[in-house]
Amino acid sequence: GAGVSQTPSNKVTEKGKYVELRCDPISGHTALYWYRQSLGQGPEFLIYFQGTGAADDSGLPNDRFFAVRPEGSVSTLKIQRTERGDSAVYLCASSRARDSPLHFGNGTRLTVT
Amino acid sequence: AQSVTQPDIHITVSEGASLELRCNYSYGATPYLFWYVQSPGQGLQLLLKYFSGDTLVQGIKGFEAEFKRSQSSFNLRKPSVHWSDAAEYFCAVGAVSGGGADGLTFGKGTHLIIQP
Repeated sequence: GAGVSQTPSNKVTEKGKYVELRCDPISGHTALYWYRQSLGQGPEFLIYFQGTGAADDSGLPNDRFFAVRPEGSVSTLKIQRTERGDSAVYLCASSRARDSPLHFGNGTRLTVT
Repeated sequence: AQSVTQPDIHITVSEGASLELRCNYSYGATPYLFWYVQSPGQGLQLLLKYFSGDTLVQGIKGFEAEFKRSQSSFNLRKPSVHWSDAAEYFCAVGAVSGGGADGLTFGKGTHLIIQP
């Protein structure tokens, strides 16, 4: 079966531009998570969806970051006015339920020049 | 606030030798503890987890970890490493057994190098 799919795998953008990162979770997984992993660091929690709603967005660093999951499946992480400090690997994970194991995608490597 | 410390940034081990990766955590309640492995270009893979019961837990790929509440530690071990074990290893703490909801808190990782 397919795992968590993230597209694109790599994204290079200029400072100030807008970017969208996509996550396709495993079919049937109701919980979806976004993490950010900077160079030399562990993943850092950004936001958690249960179904269509963001159950916890406390990890989003500022209001330039926004994520949606309109139909409870695919999610898009949106970053406005990108800054060089946003450069990182953005990881998506999904799970069948709140207490079920997380399945991580391979991530999107974002580079802001 | 919860936190995870992995004191070793890099560890080099000879193939066939034993391995221990250290992890210390700080958490206000009973923690759920996890070890993940990340190989180049691949997603994080769960090696094992602990939430109750026997403090020595077995995972995949021959790994095990021991929970020591008195030391707030959850060290990962393997009796004999293989070249394919070279990767980045992350310890994490969370509020629920799957690691979901409220998010996991990860350590900074330990980079494992295997010498032939």
